[in-house]
Amino acid sequence: EAGVVQSPRYKIIEKKQPVAFWCNPISGHNTLYWYLQNLGQGPELLIRYENEEAVDDSQLPKDRFSAERLKGVDSTLKIQPAELGDSAVYLCASSQPTGQGGETQYFGPGTRLLVL
Amino acid sequence: QQQVKQSPQSLIVQKGGISIINCAYENTAFDYFPWYQQFPGKGPALLIAIRPDVSEKKEGRFTISFNKSAKQFSLHIMDSQPGDSATYFCAASRRNAGNMLTFGGGTRLMVKP
Repeated sequence: EAGVVQSPRYKIIEKKQPVAFWCNPISGHNTLYWYLQNLGQGPELLIRYENEEAVDDSQLPKDRFSAERLKGVDSTLKIQPAELGDSAVYLCASSQPTGQGGETQYFGPGTRLLVL
Repeated sequence: QQQVKQSPQSLIVQKGGISIINCAYENTAFDYFPWYQQFPGKGPALLIAIRPDVSEKKEGRFTISFNKSAKQFSLHIMDSQPGDSATYFCAASRRNAGNMLTFGGGTRLMVKP
């Protein structure tokens, strides 16, 4: 079974440029997460989707970040304009709700962004 | 607010030794405590997890010890191997908050041959 797929794996852009990251979750997983991981730190949640609905985006900096999950499958995270401080790894994860809590989240390899 | 604190930040262990990583949490509403393992260039992968109704869970060489009253939990890696060299993250979540994971800061483990 294929895992969570993310692209691109690496991206280098100049500040003030736009950038987009793509995620394809594990087939059948209704819940999708985007995390931000700064160097040497743990991942921090940006947004969570249940199917196509963003149910928690309280940590997403909405002035420059946006996300969408059309048709409840693939998702795109966008930054416009990018700032130097956005350099980090952007991780996508997916899970299948069981109603019992503690569902395993499966992470993709991440997109490493460098803003110059 | 850092809700999950992890220590140490880095750890060096000899092959065959025991690696111990500790975490403390603040929110008593957390009801699920996983440990994730991350290799360079890869995403985190679930290693082992525990719920607060048990004090210990063992899977192979990996054991979680959980102390509800102290709001602490730890990961023990027995017979540590060079292949265990990675970054380990503890995390916590609660079902009524969408199971969103709050991660600790991570521990970089190096197992020397």
